Amino acid sequence: LAKTTQPISMDSYEGQEVNITCSHNNIATNDYITWYQQFPSQGPRFIIQGYKTKVTNEVASLFIPADRKSSTLSLPRVSLSDTAVYYCLVGDPPAPNAGNNRKLIWGLGTSLAVNP
Amino acid sequence: NAGVMQNPRHLVRRRGQEARLRCSPMKGHSHVYWYRQLPEEGLKFMVYLQKENIIDESGMPKERFSAEFPKEGPSILRIQQVVRGDSAAYFCASSPGDNYEQYFGPGTRLTVT
Repeated sequence: LAKTTQPISMDSYEGQEVNITCSHNNIATNDYITWYQQFPSQGPRFIIQGYKTKVTNEVASLFIPADRKSSTLSLPRVSLSDTAVYYCLVGDPPAPNAGNNRKLIWGLGTSLAVNP
Repeated sequence: NAGVMQNPRHLVRRRGQEARLRCSPMKGHSHVYWYRQLPEEGLKFMVYLQKENIIDESGMPKERFSAEFPKEGPSILRIQQVVRGDSAAYFCASSPGDNYEQYFGPGTRLTVT
């Protein structure tokens, strides 16, 4: 299972775009990249998953360069409610956020603080 | 449809006591996963259960920890003779199947004094 490296913390202001980069130099051919969000006193929540290039949903975009050794989660126009910890995980789940993701390695994540 | 429910939300135990954490999965979900998040560490898988069966307990400490998911009622994570190192947030997730999306509960924060 590939290990990931993320910044420990980031600060932003309301309305800005936030980009959180995750390094995963040892990513395997079959691995997907999955991002979770965790609010204080809550369990993690799946945000987005991708394999290569770009994925976009109603919450975020995920940019993955050709070598796949890193990925960037992009949150457009953040608000105060986006203050949370964001986790990047790498593994080969057959479906997004599937229960058999259970062996994925969770790091400390990136603590994002959005200020007024 | 209520989400995954865990109780209690906060639990304080003295060293040597037993802790029982309960998890009620989402309606229609028969698969339950328990995770532990120690202070300053990432989430770690502990055990995966289906109704009346333990499927994968590879992340469970060998001693003092046990889990069950009976035919009726919530899943229970039981920690006997708690020690200070057991203080952590314990999260439960449920899914309708191992290949389907899992949903996390709000967690139980265990403090051992």
